[in-house]
Amino acid sequence: EDQVTQSPEALRLQEGESSSLNCSYTVSGLRGLFWYRQDPGKGPEFLFTLYSAGEEKEKERLKATLTKKESFLHITAPKPEDSATYLCAVQALQTGANNLFFGTGTRLTVIP
Amino acid sequence: ETGVTQTPRHLVMGMTNKKSLKCEQHLGHNAMYWYKQSAKKPLELMFVYSLEERVENNSVPSRFSPECPNSSHLFLHLHTLQPEDSALYLCASSQDGAGRAYFGAGTRLSVL
Repeated sequence: EDQVTQSPEALRLQEGESSSLNCSYTVSGLRGLFWYRQDPGKGPEFLFTLYSAGEEKEKERLKATLTKKESFLHITAPKPEDSATYLCAVQALQTGANNLFFGTGTRLTVIP
Repeated sequence: ETGVTQTPRHLVMGMTNKKSLKCEQHLGHNAMYWYKQSAKKPLELMFVYSLEERVENNSVPSRFSPECPNSSHLFLHLHTLQPEDSALYLCASSQDGAGRAYFGAGTRLSVL
């Protein structure tokens, strides 16, 4: 059964304190892994797509990496505006392009 | 207007009421989705429409009834809901079932 597990559930960082969020997945053939950011009162906003182990994507202070079993979202020198819930999702080859399986998210708080 | 728009943003209804949620996308996408987001749970995919035809119905109770009159509009008709149906209902769209989905801000539903 396809499964996505994110850790930690919540993370509090001081401004400038770098850290990483984890997304472990079990899927029968990975079509793609996706990172989203969700602010309170809003829908998820797309950040990155990763397709194969070893792939990396960067955007400002965020860097996403992928292995065969997990993905990391590295946050370098975070700022308070990076506070949000970060969601990981996978798309499996067998279940078709229309199925995205989401994790429960990591709620990040960056303290000034 | 751009993106994915959902109305209403907030809805309170009794268990015997009938209401509808509306979603409109201005991105020219050919696939639209309804997701349910509950606290401490992953986003749950409820319905998928591709080229205006329903392609997924993930064991959703019949008290939820989707309608897709054209590629830009999606409705979720609600009747005889239960208190456990209280959640954030998110609409999303994508092109050709891509994992990069664009979400609306959601409708916060409370069933009394």
